[in-house]
Amino acid sequence: AQTVTQSQPEMSVQEAETVTLSCTYDTSENNYYLFWYKQPPSRQMILVIRQEAYKQQNATENRFSVNFQKAAKSFSLKISDSQLGDTAMYFCAFTSIAGGTSYGKLTFGQGTILTVHP
Amino acid sequence: GAGVSQTPSNKVTEKGKYVELRCDPISGHTALYWYRQSLGQGPEFLIYFQGTGAADDSGLPNDRFFAVRPEGSVSTLKIQRTERGDSAVYLCASSLSGGRDTQYFGPGTRLTVL
Repeated sequence: AQTVTQSQPEMSVQEAETVTLSCTYDTSENNYYLFWYKQPPSRQMILVIRQEAYKQQNATENRFSVNFQKAAKSFSLKISDSQLGDTAMYFCAFTSIAGGTSYGKLTFGQGTILTVHP
Repeated sequence: GAGVSQTPSNKVTEKGKYVELRCDPISGHTALYWYRQSLGQGPEFLIYFQGTGAADDSGLPNDRFFAVRPEGSVSTLKIQRTERGDSAVYLCASSLSGGRDTQYFGPGTRLTVL
């Protein structure tokens, strides 16, 4: 079974500064995807960024980038130029793409509450 | 519709009652997932539909929980004899065809069992 661990229950950052959220995972699979989702108080889970395990290049989406270390099973999210609208709960998630009945099922971490201060 | 919708937004019920939670996925999406999110926790997988069939229901906690998707679009999660421990936010997500496709989430239904 896969597990995802987020060891930072809460983080805070000043507006315009950079913050990094940590995530580690455990799996015996070789083919999988990793995700960061954002959940604001409205409860709507929004995909921030995703990384395919077979790609060595780290994914980037505007101000969001990841540091994917496959051997260490680490997947951190860096948010640059933080904005007030980035305040939310952030979840790291994993899915195996090896086929079978778990195909597409997401396993989430416990979440990190990020607060951006003006 | 433009996104995944879920009704009701909030549901308060009494212990022992029966409830139904509805999910309307993005049109054309064949894959549909239900997750349960307890307060302060990450979502946990409940069940996955591919079309009309439940391809993986390994996350359903017990036989009080049941879900259907009779026409391959709208899905209903049914909970019998509700217990206080069932209180949570129930999230629905859909994707184009499952697997590596991005899952789009609805706003969830907050269920409170008194």
